Amino acid sequence: QQPVQSPQAVILREGEDAVINCSSSKALYSVHWYRQKHGEAPVFLMILLKGGEQKGHEKISASFNEKKQQSSLYLTASQLSYSGTYFCGRKGTSGSRLTFGEGTQLTVNP
Amino acid sequence: NAGVTQTPKFRILKIGQSMTLQCTQDMNHNYMYWYRQDPGMGLKLIYYSVGAGITDKGEVPNGYNVSRSTTEDFPLRLELAAPSQTSVYFCASSPPTDRETQYFGPGTRLLVL
Repeated sequence: QQPVQSPQAVILREGEDAVINCSSSKALYSVHWYRQKHGEAPVFLMILLKGGEQKGHEKISASFNEKKQQSSLYLTASQLSYSGTYFCGRKGTSGSRLTFGEGTQLTVNP
Repeated sequence: NAGVTQTPKFRILKIGQSMTLQCTQDMNHNYMYWYRQDPGMGLKLIYYSVGAGITDKGEVPNGYNVSRSTTEDFPLRLELAAPSQTSVYFCASSPPTDRETQYFGPGTRLLVL
């Protein structure tokens, strides 16, 4: 039931865009995105509920496609501060536990 | 508010030893969680609690125990440490009004030799 993230790693130059995908083999109720900088705790970015919603956080936005059982995180005009590992988490129902993917390591270089 | 605090920050254990990882939150959150994160991997849920006196198993509970006698504290107990328990342990909490958002502590790095 662990969601699958792709790519595993991506390297960008400052100002470039990136997309991180999160796919589930089972039905999704919600998708949660977190960012973890090296040696630090994960920090909540956003949550998407079923219904094809798209939400944003500064220059980071995400979409949720319930039919395809997947979510994508869009990082626009990346900044050095965006570097870190991005995790998606899934819930199958509102009361179920959150299950995390293995993460996507994003590196933004000057 | 200090948020979610964890102690110790780092610990080395010998195989077979026991220890308790402490987690405290001062935000009056009723939901609390324990995760482990192995190198280069995602977070695996060990145990969680929906309130004082109520705990339940997560994905990887074997070798661990928890208790929740107060709203603030959610200690994690390792009874017989094994090398497979070498990991970084994160405690997290959620408020009753927004249980979808989890606030993580700084983590405890545990090495079992």
